[in-house]
Amino acid sequence: DAGVIQSPRHEVTEMGQEVTLRCKPISGHNSLFWYRQTMMRGLELLIYFNNNVPIDDSGMPEDRFSAKMPNASFSTLKIQPSEPRDSAVYFCASSPDRAFTYEQYFGPGTRLTVT
Amino acid sequence: SQKIEQNSEALNIQEGKTATLTCNYTNYSPAYLQWYRQDPGRGPVFLLLIRENEKEKRKERLKVTFDTTLKQSLFHITASQPADSATYLCAHSSGNTPLVFGKGTRLSVIA
Repeated sequence: DAGVIQSPRHEVTEMGQEVTLRCKPISGHNSLFWYRQTMMRGLELLIYFNNNVPIDDSGMPEDRFSAKMPNASFSTLKIQPSEPRDSAVYFCASSPDRAFTYEQYFGPGTRLTVT
Repeated sequence: SQKIEQNSEALNIQEGKTATLTCNYTNYSPAYLQWYRQDPGRGPVFLLLIRENEKEKRKERLKVTFDTTLKQSLFHITASQPADSATYLCAHSSGNTPLVFGKGTRLSVIA
């Protein structure tokens, strides 16, 4: 298996633009997570899905952020409009089970820079 | 809310020595602690998971211990090598709550 795939790897955009990050989880995994990592705050959970259904989006910072999982092999995280404080590395991870007693497999991340 | 504290932001040790990293959590039982390794520019990679009722877990040169009284986990790398240099993240869950990650400890093994 190729592991979790994320695209793009790097994104540079101007404030106010829409940004869409993409993720393909490991085949057969039924849980998918979106995280954001910054030096100040570390790795923070934004939202997670189980069997394509959003379970907890309490970590989504504000309405400018939205996430979808239209099928078991694809998810998107959208920021509209983007702001400089959204600059961070965004990770997607998948897990074989909903329980948090299982390991998570992380993608390589998308480094987002908003100018 | 749950807080995870990794007591050292950075740790430098000599090659061949044992590195010991600390992770403290504040709330929620039962507890499951996971340890991940993160290299620059890459996503975290799972290393070990230890459950509250387990005192110790081992994997090759890695060892994790759990002290529920202190609410603390220790992560050991024996016979450390320069290739072990990375950031190590601790994460806590009560089993049905999302993982909460510490900010990590950046380990440098000096040859």
